[in-house]
Amino acid sequence: DGGITQSPKYLFRKEGQNVTLSCEQNLNHDAMYWYRQDPGQGLRLIYYSQIVNDFQKGDIAEGYSVSREKKESFPLTVTSAQKNPTAFYLCASSATGTESYEQYFGPGTRLTVT
Amino acid sequence: GQSLEQPSEVTAVEGAIVQINCTYQTSGFYGLSWYQQHDGGAPTFLSYNALDGLEETGRFSSFLSRSDSYGYLLLQELQMKDSASYFCAVRQLSGYSTLTFGKGTMLLVSP
Repeated sequence: DGGITQSPKYLFRKEGQNVTLSCEQNLNHDAMYWYRQDPGQGLRLIYYSQIVNDFQKGDIAEGYSVSREKKESFPLTVTSAQKNPTAFYLCASSATGTESYEQYFGPGTRLTVT
Repeated sequence: GQSLEQPSEVTAVEGAIVQINCTYQTSGFYGLSWYQQHDGGAPTFLSYNALDGLEETGRFSSFLSRSDSYGYLLLQELQMKDSASYFCAVRQLSGYSTLTFGKGTMLLVSP
């Protein structure tokens, strides 16, 4: 079965620690995305990548970093510089070009930082 | 920049028809998408309008009017399982054609 996996589902960290969220897809998609969702809010784009070894900042990239060393993987690191990291993080992938309107989402990671 | 406005909440009863509106301000875009998200779950794609008019997919239909900067999602024969949040999103013209999402509309379906 093709899809996107994110791990872990729940993550707890102490303030000041960096944490890396995993995202893997086997849909053979070139494009991958990271979104942040806060209660009652829409999805805000953190980073995206259209091809291996290349990625772009989204609307709220400050305090986050990513890598794209393999087509299937797009891990997100939440650094200690992120002022308010507690949120629901969603990873997505899509084809590029005219089909990029349909994104496939993983189940999400709920990060709590105290 | 882009901004999308949706009602925060809509309520309806089983079997009814409900319309969720989305108005947008953007300098240019390819089309309007709709996604459904159940509480705590992953968003799933519902529909996409690249052109003006109505797109129908089973019980769900989506409409776009570029001249009015307006679109809507129409849900017919509502079921309890349709209780979820619904997001409109514009696929941007510039750069890498990323999606910009609205804040979502929570639909509550009651018996």
